[in-house]
Amino acid sequence: GAGVSQSPSNKVTEKGKDVELRCDPISGHTALYWYRQSLGQGLEFLIYFQGNSAPDKSGLPSDRFSAERTGGSVSTLTIQRTQQEDSAVYLCASSLTASGGRETQYFGPGTRLLVL
Amino acid sequence: SQQGEEDPQALSIQEGENATMNCSYKTSINNLQWYRQNSGRGLVHLILIRSNEREKHSGRLRVTLDTSKKSSSLLITASRAADTASYFCATGGGEQGAQKLVFGQGTRLTINP
Repeated sequence: GAGVSQSPSNKVTEKGKDVELRCDPISGHTALYWYRQSLGQGLEFLIYFQGNSAPDKSGLPSDRFSAERTGGSVSTLTIQRTQQEDSAVYLCASSLTASGGRETQYFGPGTRLLVL
Repeated sequence: SQQGEEDPQALSIQEGENATMNCSYKTSINNLQWYRQNSGRGLVHLILIRSNEREKHSGRLRVTLDTSKKSSSLLITASRAADTASYFCATGGGEQGAQKLVFGQGTRLTINP
């Protein structure tokens, strides 16, 4: 079946503009995760969803970052008033359930964001 | 801060040789997973080892886990040019709680033909 998809693949924006990144998880996966990877770095956890609720938002770096998930499927990560330090690859992953990190997470191809 | 630390940061070997990458972590865990990443894009899951397991095999991959030392190793045998990628360990559950995976900084592996 189809894997996790993300759009857009690449996004170039000007400092101060808002951006929306989209993630379509694997059908039937109830858990969805957002990570950020800065140049040459490991992945940094941002937020995860179980269904439509987000029990753990601890990784969101500032109140300019928000995410929602509707219908237990598609999720949108929004960055308001983008800054140059927001430039990174934003990766989405999904898993069948969220069970204490026990599940394999399947990753999308990522959105490469560049803030000029 | 990152839970995992990987060693070495970069590794370059000849095709056919074995490649060993190490990962250390700080808190108790439920499992440890290894992922591969090509060209800085999506990650591909390689193998998951649970905290009550010591060794696991998958094809040319061998993973060990030593919870007393809080460390894991990934061995790729008979390496191929296509194995060139970055490899990340990620820990799940345990003291870090929640559902997230905590990733190391990764090892950049280059296989020379």
